[in-house]
Amino acid sequence: DAKTTQPPSMDCAEGRAANLPCNHSTISGNEYVYWYRQIHSQGPQYIIHGLKNNETNEMASLIITEDRKSSTLILPHATLRDTAVYYCIVRVGDNTGKLIFGQGTTLQVKP
Amino acid sequence: DTAVSQTPKYLVTQMGNDKSIKCEQNLGHDTMYWYKQDSKKFLKIMFSYNNKELIINETVPNRFSPKSPDKAHLNLHINSLELGDSAVYFCASSPHSAGSPLHFGNGTRLTVT
Repeated sequence: DAKTTQPPSMDCAEGRAANLPCNHSTISGNEYVYWYRQIHSQGPQYIIHGLKNNETNEMASLIITEDRKSSTLILPHATLRDTAVYYCIVRVGDNTGKLIFGQGTTLQVKP
Repeated sequence: DTAVSQTPKYLVTQMGNDKSIKCEQNLGHDTMYWYKQDSKKFLKIMFSYNNKELIINETVPNRFSPKSPDKAHLNLHINSLELGDSAVYFCASSPHSAGSPLHFGNGTRLTVT
């Protein structure tokens, strides 16, 4: 699975959009981009995933560049409860369930 | 009605003991997993089971033995506990279809003294 690079930490003001970048320059054509987050003392929570098209759900939007070498997770109106570690993971869309977690981005939402 | 539940939430024990962590999912998923999060917060897969059959074993010591009595349960038994086993252990489940996201439990914090 391809490696991802994320900034170690970011701040965001409450109510503003949080844009979390991820670089995955070695991504292969059959690899998806997944985002999970881990709120303190809880298990990782799935947010969204995509292959090449932009995706949106009730939690967030995922913007993938045309060359697929990077992506951005957007939380449109961040709240204090969105403070967490956000993980960008690239994996083949198989059924092994093997996720390779990096260090992620610690997002601090401030009032 | 928690989707993936683990017990106990906290486990403190001495070196050399044998302990088990239980996991149950009520999502009807076919595949279950154990992940380990160490003190540096890295999450790493340990095991994956599909319909009670082992499909991933990530070079975990033989002291760790997963057991799946049915597809809704995946328990983790650890023999001869060592200090280095101290970590948070997460159970997860997913449908068997390719690329399905995982649903994680809230973890079991194991402390070996």
